[in-house]
Amino acid sequence: QKEVEQDPGPLSVPEGAIVSLNCTYSNSAFQYFMWYRQYSRKGPELLMYTYSSGNKEDGRFTAQVDKSSKYISLFIRDSQPSDSATYLCAMSGAAAGNKLTFGGGTRVLVKP
Amino acid sequence: DAGVTQSPTHLIKTRGQQVTLRCSPKSGHDTVSWYQQALGQGPQFIFQYYEEEERQRGNFPDRFSGHQFPNYSSELNVNALLLGDSALYLCASRTYRGGGTGELFFGEGSRLTVL
Repeated sequence: QKEVEQDPGPLSVPEGAIVSLNCTYSNSAFQYFMWYRQYSRKGPELLMYTYSSGNKEDGRFTAQVDKSSKYISLFIRDSQPSDSATYLCAMSGAAAGNKLTFGGGTRVLVKP
Repeated sequence: DAGVTQSPTHLIKTRGQQVTLRCSPKSGHDTVSWYQQALGQGPQFIFQYYEEEERQRGNFPDRFSGHQFPNYSSELNVNALLLGDSALYLCASRTYRGGGTGELFFGEGSRLTVL
């Protein structure tokens, strides 16, 4: 079993819909949680960075962390065709400089 | 402000050859990590360099080695290439004292194809 599980998709939604993405994890030592967006043949781009449990909002993006359930989510409101990409969740432990453990990524397609 | 830059962007090698990939971190960053991303999968941590020393290493064989220079740039070397080494190799940088993981910024990657 992988440390971080993420549905590979693809997830297809109409333009303007809410995109809902999630990851589950097994390592209770994870304290830092991130979401990256990756366009085809490009490097990952950091979208959201959160520490411990709770919610964080940035524009159209909302990240949620539920450490008791070992479950994190990313919501994208008013989705646009330019949001079509692969979304990767990543997490790490508390020690400074710890490696990131990634999920496998969810491919999202927003149709005009 | 230049971000993380990597070279070359694409390269093709044959089995058994050796390859060197290069990375310049984002301005102000002193820590460099390397990740391997196979097609359709998430990135896998290879190793991290700080103060010219390897600080952490993932589950990769000794054929994978690296180096960090005094200007914080870094190289990834892979010897005795196998077909399974074909992947996108990503360099990421951060400041070591960023707290926790700190925000990690990735380059565009070097796409290696082994024939």
